[in-house]
Amino acid sequence: QVQIQQWGAGLLKPSETLSLTCAVYGGSSSGYYWSWIRQPPGKGLEWIGEINRSGSTNYNPSLKSRVTISVDTSKNQFSLKLNSVTAADTAVYYCARGPLLTLTNWGQGTLVTVSS
Amino acid sequence: DIQMTQSPSSLSASVGDRVTITCRASQSITFYLNWYQQKPGKAPKLLIYAASSLESGVPSRFSGSGSGTDFTLTISSLQPEDFATYYCQQSYSVPPTFGQGTKLEIK
Repeated sequence: QVQIQQWGAGLLKPSETLSLTCAVYGGSSSGYYWSWIRQPPGKGLEWIGEINRSGSTNYNPSLKSRVTISVDTSKNQFSLKLNSVTAADTAVYYCARGPLLTLTNWGQGTLVTVSS
Repeated sequence: DIQMTQSPSSLSASVGDRVTITCRASQSITFYLNWYQQKPGKAPKLLIYAASSLESGVPSRFSGSGSGTDFTLTISSLQPEDFATYYCQQSYSVPPTFGQGTKLEIK
């Protein structure tokens, strides 16, 4: 049974860097991608990007200039960094695991609020 | 980006009803279409992948169909736990995009 746990800072000031980490427990990692998705309060879902165990990444072009996704295979963890945040980046951020571009197992979500 | 449009945006139904939600893609995505269920305060849950394949553990009252640009999620007999928001998502190309959601409410 795959379990995903995520953590990171929940309150940021404008221009700071958002940093979140997910750990994946159980299940195989071979052939899977680890993704980040966000959901502004009361709104829909936006895919941020994904990475596989080899470090191959895909990013949403709308965020690519500000996003870095990395993986630590020794710990089965992957991380998201989003720099120069603004109020528009306020959202619940989810991590997830699945085949390419599909989100099979999700973390619990982290509300990140950007406010001065 | 491929635009995904769901209809309706909201739907009222009763326990036991048969419900259909439609998702349309702005271009052909063959069968690369997933459906998710999200309950308030919770992460989305994958229900259907590749347009019509039922994810493990998902009740058989959920089914998906379609290909190309037009897709359907059907719940054959609504149960109380099915009242939630449903999202379609194309996995055909980067970036994967979601529909705006369909909120299924109790009548």
